[in-house]
Amino acid sequence: QVQLVQSGAEVKKPGASVRVSCKASGYTFTSYAVHWVRQAPGQRLEWMGWINTGDGNTKYSQKFQGRVTITRDTSAGTAYMELSSLRSEDTAVYYCAREAPVYKNGMDVWGQGTTVTVSS
Amino acid sequence: SYVLTQPPSVSVAPGKTARITCGGNNIGSKSVHWFHQKPGQAPVLVIYYESGRPSAIPERFSGSNSGNTATLTISRVEAGDEADYYCQVWDSANDHWVFGGGTKLTVL
Repeated sequence: QVQLVQSGAEVKKPGASVRVSCKASGYTFTSYAVHWVRQAPGQRLEWMGWINTGDGNTKYSQKFQGRVTITRDTSAGTAYMELSSLRSEDTAVYYCAREAPVYKNGMDVWGQGTTVTVSS
Repeated sequence: SYVLTQPPSVSVAPGKTARITCGGNNIGSKSVHWFHQKPGQAPVLVIYYESGRPSAIPERFSGSNSGNTATLTISRVEAGDEADYYCQVWDSANDHWVFGGGTKLTVL
């Protein structure tokens, strides 16, 4: 069964960093790029960036450039998203999603989401 | 940055046809994906590249795209179709994915 399983909820103080993991199973991890998308309460989905799991190349949204780092561990089949200098506006559900070339780069498999709460 | 505009809500009776629009400047020149999202769940891809359907998605779902508007059409709407629907395109000028604001589909 193809799935992405994310790490659990996090509560962080302003200024701190958070790292969310996304473990793939049921397919060849390095054959599909992984994207990170977040959704603040009542807001639209917001793309943060992606990683080519084969060669490790990354691309970030300009909005998060300098604060977000996406990495992967191919031996563990896991992608990671780290967001630094957290502020209250970063409170959101963070999703990882697989990009499927067969679906013209549509994101066909999503993790269950990780709630990150930033509060003093 | 490229902006996608969706109506906040659409209501439809069971068995009827729902049409959800996604407006953007010359969106007809872009490839559009559509997702649905139910409360507390992750998004699900329902239409890719304007009109393609992943294998698990019923034929009742279809898409079109022309000019400044892309449209998701759901035929013979069922209660289980009630969800938020989002469109998505690649903004090549800024090198990033953009989502619409979402449309809440209510089945009356």
